[in-house]
Amino acid sequence: AQTVTQSQPEMSVQEAETVTLSCTYDTSESDYYLFWYKQPPSRQMILVIRQEAYKQQNATENRFSVNFQKAAKSFSLKISDSQLGDAAMYFCAYRSAANFGNEKLTFGTGTRLTIIP
Amino acid sequence: EPEVTQTPSHQVTQMGQEVILRCVPISNHLYFYWYRQILGQKVEFLVSFYNNEISEKSEIFDDQFSVERPDGSNFTLKIRSTKLEDSAMYFCASSVGRSNTEAFFGQGTRLTVV
Repeated sequence: AQTVTQSQPEMSVQEAETVTLSCTYDTSESDYYLFWYKQPPSRQMILVIRQEAYKQQNATENRFSVNFQKAAKSFSLKISDSQLGDAAMYFCAYRSAANFGNEKLTFGTGTRLTIIP
Repeated sequence: EPEVTQTPSHQVTQMGQEVILRCVPISNHLYFYWYRQILGQKVEFLVSFYNNEISEKSEIFDDQFSVERPDGSNFTLKIRSTKLEDSAMYFCASSVGRSNTEAFFGQGTRLTVV
């Protein structure tokens, strides 16, 4: 079974600075997808960014980028120019690319990000 | 922008009662999911549903739980006899299919069992 580990329960960053959230995972599969979801106080789950394991290039979405290290099974999220609206719980998630019946997401325990004005 | 809609946003029920949580997935999506998040804990997979049947379920999804797509648009989660430990946020999600990897989540239903 796959596991996702987020070792930083809480992080804080000054507004406009850069912060990196860590995520590691364990899997025996070679093909999979990785995601970062944001959960603001409203508690809705919002997709921030995704990475396909077969792609070597790190995904980027505006101020959000990832550092995907497949051999190390590491998938960190970098938030540049942090804004007050970035304050939220961030969850790393794994999804198998295998066949039918493996569409579920496996989540880490989350990192609560605080933005300091 | 299309979205997944869940109702109600908050449900309070007495222990032992049956509850039905409702979800309207995005219209062209084929895969549907329920997840649960106990307060302060991580999001946990409950069940996935495709082609009118369960494709996978977790150990949490025992005989007390059932899912249904009664009318081609709604996707429901029923808990037959609620327990205190069922109190959680329940999220519905949907995705187009395996060729599209993004799951869209609803805003959640907060279930409180008293």
